[in-house]
Amino acid sequence: GAVVSQHPSWVICKSGTSVKIECRSLDFQATTMFWYRQFPKQSLMLMATSNEGSKATYEQGVEKDKFLINHASLTLSTLTVTSAHPEDSSFYICSASSVSGNTIYFGEGSWLTVV
Amino acid sequence: GENVEQHPSTLSVQEGDSAVIKCTYSDSASNYFPWYKQELGKRPQLIIDIRSNVGEKKDQRIAVTLNKTAKHFSLHITETQPEDSAVYFCAATLGSSGYSTLTFGKGTMLLVSP
Repeated sequence: GAVVSQHPSWVICKSGTSVKIECRSLDFQATTMFWYRQFPKQSLMLMATSNEGSKATYEQGVEKDKFLINHASLTLSTLTVTSAHPEDSSFYICSASSVSGNTIYFGEGSWLTVV
Repeated sequence: GENVEQHPSTLSVQEGDSAVIKCTYSDSASNYFPWYKQELGKRPQLIIDIRSNVGEKKDQRIAVTLNKTAKHFSLHITETQPEDSAVYFCAATLGSSGYSTLTFGKGTMLLVSP
């Protein structure tokens, strides 16, 4: 099946710094990718929809200037958490669907800890 | 937008028993309903899905039923095993394209005791 790879799998950063998370579709082209955040013992909450070649669409309550999304190619979307704070510590996970199918594949997820 | 309710939030069963998790959705236009299993710290894994033109789908010990009129769908796991212990999420999405966003339920933590 299609594979979505996410990197890094975990990262620790200092408060005030920025962190970039990559999401790659390895064997298919993904014109649309989705970014989710999951706090412990909670469900996945959609943050934004990443569209190749255009601006991302953010969900209500998600700061677009804090969570920068870039989808420069059909196989790569990046999420940059800018000026990270401890409350941004969470499990971030991306998903993508292939052009031909309508099954959604998830990346492995990235644990972010801001200290 | 779509709203998905999932019950129960936790479910404890004995090995060999059946487990049922129920979800309701609000948007009658939704037509794709996947179920995911997520182990701690790992990505959600698709275990079964159903589309609106089907009322029931089965894959070995796992089955999903869909009632479009009532706007609810259920996951049934028979002969549960300890390795079935995980958090299960239902989801719903609009349209037949994978480009549509998934709306997830809050999850059910299933614990299967030996």
